[in-house]
Amino acid sequence: EAGVVQSPRYKIIEKKQPVAFWCNPISGHNTLYWYLQNLGQGPELLIRYENEEAVDDSQLPKDRFSAERLKGVDSTLKIQPAELGDSAVYLCASSLGAGDNEQFFGPGTRLTVL
Amino acid sequence: LAKTTQPISMDSYEGQEVNITCSHNNIATNDYITWYQQFPSQGPRFIIQGYKTKVTNEVASLFIPADRKSSTLSLPRVSLSDTAVYYCLVGARYNNNDMRFGAGTRLTVKP
Repeated sequence: EAGVVQSPRYKIIEKKQPVAFWCNPISGHNTLYWYLQNLGQGPELLIRYENEEAVDDSQLPKDRFSAERLKGVDSTLKIQPAELGDSAVYLCASSLGAGDNEQFFGPGTRLTVL
Repeated sequence: LAKTTQPISMDSYEGQEVNITCSHNNIATNDYITWYQQFPSQGPRFIIQGYKTKVTNEVASLFIPADRKSSTLSLPRVSLSDTAVYYCLVGARYNNNDMRFGAGTRLTVKP
């Protein structure tokens, strides 16, 4: 069974440019999460989806970050414009539902903003 | 949200048993304790979850005392490949919104 797929794995951009990350969760998983992980820190939740609905986006910097999960499957996280401080690993995870604590993580996208 | 405290780092040698303790003094009645493992350049991976006493699976054991204010992840006979960061999370079992990752414990297994 395929795990959570993320692309790209690495991205280097200059500040003020836009960037987008894509996530394909495990088939049948209704809950999808986007995390940000800085070096030496644990993952920080950005947004959580239940199917198509964003049920927790309190930690998402909405002035520059946006996310969507059309049709309740794949999801895209966008940053526009990117800042130097956005350099981090962006992780996507999925779980069967809100009632399932076991989250399955993708390998992440390492973003470097120059 | 229940806050967790773990050692920042630990060292061990191959073949030894490793115990990582997590403190969660304000754990709520409905909270479960979940541990994740993260290797470099990978996302975290679920290891084990428990509510009280002892839980064991093919990877680890989780010991939870009666007051549930702490928990201990036990890794038997570690190998070099167990070098990773281990995270302790506390939250209601049916509400992932409660669960937050801390900085974790960086375990280094030496030959």
